[in-house]
Amino acid sequence: GENVEQHPSTLSVQEGDSAVIKCTYSDSASNYFPWYKQELGKGPQLIIDIRSNVGEKKDQRIAVTLNKTAKHFSLHITETQPEDSAVYFCAATLSNDYKLSFGAGTTVTVRA
Amino acid sequence: DAGITQSPRHKVTETGTPVTLRCHQTENHRYMYWYRQDPGHGLRLIHYSYGVKDTDKGEVSDGYSVSRSKTEDFLLTLESATSSQTSVYFCATRGSVEQYFGPGTRLTVT
Repeated sequence: GENVEQHPSTLSVQEGDSAVIKCTYSDSASNYFPWYKQELGKGPQLIIDIRSNVGEKKDQRIAVTLNKTAKHFSLHITETQPEDSAVYFCAATLSNDYKLSFGAGTTVTVRA
Repeated sequence: DAGITQSPRHKVTETGTPVTLRCHQTENHRYMYWYRQDPGHGLRLIHYSYGVKDTDKGEVSDGYSVSRSKTEDFLLTLESATSSQTSVYFCATRGSVEQYFGPGTRLTVT
């Protein structure tokens, strides 16, 4: 099955700086890569996703990049704000499969 | 938010007792999932359903069973709770390809 590794496990950034989280996956057939944000006491919330026919996708201050050859994808958050503090999870799957494989999560802390 | 509710939101139970967690969705999604979340492990799939009465095992299914008698409801049962099943349990549904999560149930087995 798919194996997803996520780094770093914790990340502390100064407000206004950028944050980058990286994930690698093992199954070259995977073609759908979502990112989730989980705030304390809540369920994970889908914030952005990318399909393998696209190399980069942006939504305001967040962006995701995908390198299919190297089998890794990254989440970039620019101009970080205190409300960006949360746990972020990456995941991978085949889009016609029904099961996501998740990374272990990154706890992001934005320092004011 | 795919209109997912979970009940109860918190539960404390004793080792050896059966426990049932409920997930209810209002989006008429075909696929539903149960995950558990533990520190350092991310989210791990317990069971999933691809239709009424159609279910299958995930990667950590031992000690759990599920049932789905209606599209909107997916039940997770711990047949005889153990301390290793202390966790936060999340239900999810699948739209076209995206998965949406409920608010979670924190279960403590003493």
